[in-house]
Amino acid sequence: KNEVEQSPQNLTAQEGEFITINCSYSVGISALHWLQQHPGGGIVSLFMLSSGKKKHGRLIATINIQEKHSSLHITASHPRDSAVYICAAQPNSNYQLIWGAGTKLIIKP
Amino acid sequence: KAGVTQTPRYLIKTRGQQVTLSCSPISGHRSVSWYQQTPGQGLQFLFEYFSETQRNKGNFPGRFSGRQFSNSRSEMNVSTLELGDSALYLCASSLQAGNNEQFFGPGTRLTVL
Repeated sequence: KNEVEQSPQNLTAQEGEFITINCSYSVGISALHWLQQHPGGGIVSLFMLSSGKKKHGRLIATINIQEKHSSLHITASHPRDSAVYICAAQPNSNYQLIWGAGTKLIIKP
Repeated sequence: KAGVTQTPRYLIKTRGQQVTLSCSPISGHRSVSWYQQTPGQGLQFLFEYFSETQRNKGNFPGRFSGRQFSNSRSEMNVSTLELGDSALYLCASSLQAGNNEQFFGPGTRLTVL
């Protein structure tokens, strides 16, 4: 079992829908990262959070430390949100991030 | 500020050759991490450099090596290339070591024939 699990692996939705991507982890962490990777490879860091909730534009990230679970939400989704969304856990005991496999999101117009 | 740059963007090599990839971090960033991404595998950590010192190394064979210069630019080298080394190689820079917020470069796509 991977230490960081994302679900779903693939998600296709219509423009305007509310999107939720989930990330569960099994290790103690100091932070959880959400990143976005567009076709062609470029990766952008979206959030780094260790508690509660962060919001940036239409993106919201939440984390529940007790349940070892984080979610990334996209409100009013748009085709330009189509990308792979990756979560990565930063363990307490180690600098190295543990990467989820990614969720491929497609938003249809 | 200019972002993280990687050169070259695309590279085609044959088995047995060696390759050197370059990464220039954001100005002022002193930490550079390297990752390999293959289809279906996600990102695999290669190594992290800070102040010209390798701080961490992932589980890759000795054919994979790297270094960092005094201006924080980093290079990674892969010797005796194998078909399985075909991947997107990404570098990420951050202000300090220890996985503060990382800023990724566009990657170098290496194809080994």
